Amino acid sequence: GDSVTQMEGPVTLSEEAFLTINCTYTATGYPSLFWYVQYPGEGLQLLLKATKADDKGSNKGFEATYRKETTSFHLEKGSVQVSDSAVYFCALSSGGSNYKLTFGKGTLLTVNP
Amino acid sequence: GAVVSQHPSRVICKSGTSVKIECRSLDFQATTMFWYRQFPKQSLMLMATSNEGSKATYEQGVEKDKFLINHASLTLSTLTVTSAHPEDSSFYICSALQGANYGYTFGSGTRLTVV
Repeated sequence: GDSVTQMEGPVTLSEEAFLTINCTYTATGYPSLFWYVQYPGEGLQLLLKATKADDKGSNKGFEATYRKETTSFHLEKGSVQVSDSAVYFCALSSGGSNYKLTFGKGTLLTVNP
Repeated sequence: GAVVSQHPSRVICKSGTSVKIECRSLDFQATTMFWYRQFPKQSLMLMATSNEGSKATYEQGVEKDKFLINHASLTLSTLTVTSAHPEDSSFYICSALQGANYGYTFGSGTRLTVV
């Protein structure tokens, strides 16, 4: 079945540091890939997505490239801010009749000033 | 953009009572809605998938008689936790799908505490 493995946290960085959160996946066919962000006590917000190989999703300075050959979708940001502190989830959807999302376990990011 | 309203955001109930959580898509019609449960510092566990006008599809291990899901219209799905017990205390999140373009929108979640 589908699965998502993402880098375990927590990750603690200083402001303006470079961020990478690794994500690899196992899926049948050609899934769509997503990164979601969850701020404390809130639901999930879509950060970015990519629907086919070599696509790059980007938003708010975050980027991730759909790498079919390595089955990866690593999240990067060149310069993090304190406001980026949150939990980040990698997810995939293989489509099918119900389009279920399969989530990774989440990575807690804390950015210190 | 697409908005999903989830209500209530927090609820405290006594053991043995039932609690209903609503999930509404405010500006689009959701053919499919999903209900998740999230334990502290853990990922989201899909509980069930509901399609408008049909019975929900529950994931393995989820008690359908305990977690009643109703998707009576294209903009509303409800999750009722029946005869709640302290172990049902959790963060419940709904998500709505806007057709087949992989547009998932999440509600803000409901913190359920059973005392």
